[in-house]
Formats: sequence, structure tokens, C-alpha cells
Amino acid sequence: GAVVSQHPSRVICKSGTSVKIECRSLDFQATTMFWYRQFPKQSLMLMATSNEGSKATYEQGVEKDKFLINHASLTLSTLTVTSAHPEDSSFYICSAREPGLNYGYTFGSGTRLTVV
Amino acid sequence: TQLLEQSPQFLSIQEGENLTVYCNSSSVFSSLQWYRQEPGEGPVLLVTVVTGGEVKKLKRLTFQFGDARKDSSLHITAAQPGDTGLYLCAGATGGGGNKLTFGTGTQLKVEL
Repeated sequence: GAVVSQHPSRVICKSGTSVKIECRSLDFQATTMFWYRQFPKQSLMLMATSNEGSKATYEQGVEKDKFLINHASLTLSTLTVTSAHPEDSSFYICSAREPGLNYGYTFGSGTRLTVV
Repeated sequence: TQLLEQSPQFLSIQEGENLTVYCNSSSVFSSLQWYRQEPGEGPVLLVTVVTGGEVKKLKRLTFQFGDARKDSSLHITAAQPGDTGLYLCAGATGGGGNKLTFGTGTQLKVEL
């Protein structure tokens, strides 16, 4: 089955620094990937849709200058949290859909970001 | 904004009991998916339902999609501790590749 790899799984950074999270589709090409944020014991909130070769589409209320998304190839999307603050601490998860499978969304294992 | 409300929000039961989780919306979805998530992991797909009124079974889990494709339910028979986790419904609109809207989640704990 389709596999989505997310890296790193955990990261701790200082306030004001930037952190990059990678999301890779290992055995398929994904023109579209999705980035979610999840707070403890809560559901997933969609942040943005990453489109290969074009600009990402951000959900209402998500700062595009703070959460930079780059989808430069058909197997890699990155999310960069810029000038991180403690309130950015959260669990970030990406997903991708395998072409040809209308309902086949595969999720990465998530990245736990802690900003100190 | 499409909202998917799940109930109950929390559920703590004993091993062997049955339970039902509900997922309700005022919006129509082309498909609805159920996921289970373990702490520190991404969600894992359990099932996708597409047709209104559709019922799917996965061992002790029974999933139903409402006739109007606005709601769904997940029924677990004879729950086991291994069923513990966060259960999430997610609705998709339009064709494949569209974004998913996740439900509010149901945290299930099954104790011995």
C-alpha cells in the first residue's frame, strides 16, 4: 500500500527560529498533499493544500507567511514554520492521495513540534 | 464551513461491551471515511463509505453511511483494549483529491 514518510518525528526549537518538516510519498507520486495541525486530544485541522509546481492553498486563518509550504517535486512537500513561538507547538501531520484511488488518503506519522 | 460533529466526545467502557459512535453534519459528502489514531501517530484509515445507506463490516466494526450522505455511525461489538484510540470521521466533497473535513473526534478507552 501507499506509504507517506514524515520527518522529523520530533523537534524542539528555540523561539524565533525556523523549522522545516518534510513529507514524502515513498512509492507513488502525489500532485496534492495536505498539511494538518492537531492539538492534544483534538481533531485534525486542515492548514493548507500543497500543490506540486504551484502555490499552496491556505485555509482561512492560517498565515501563509508563517507556514511556508513548498511542493517542488511529485514526491516531496515541505512545511516550514518561520519565527516559531511557543503557541506554534503542536502535532503537524501531512497526507497524500495515491493517484487512481479516489478515496485513498494516506497519512504521515506526524511531527511533534515543541517551541521553547 | 462544513462541520462534522462526533458524539460522544469521550467514551470509557469495559472489555466486552458494545458501543456506537456518531458522526453528523448538515452538509452532504460524496464519501465519508473513518480513521483510528494512536497517540503520537498519524490516522489510519479503517473504511470508506460512498453510497447512501451503505453498510460495511470490518471484523467487529460496522460502519453505516446515512441515506442522505450527511451522517455516519461506527458500531463496535465486544470491544477490546486494543480498540482504544481516537476515532475520527472525515468527509470528502467532490471527486477524489479534494480535501477532507475531519470530525471532532471520539476518544475511546476500553478497560479490562
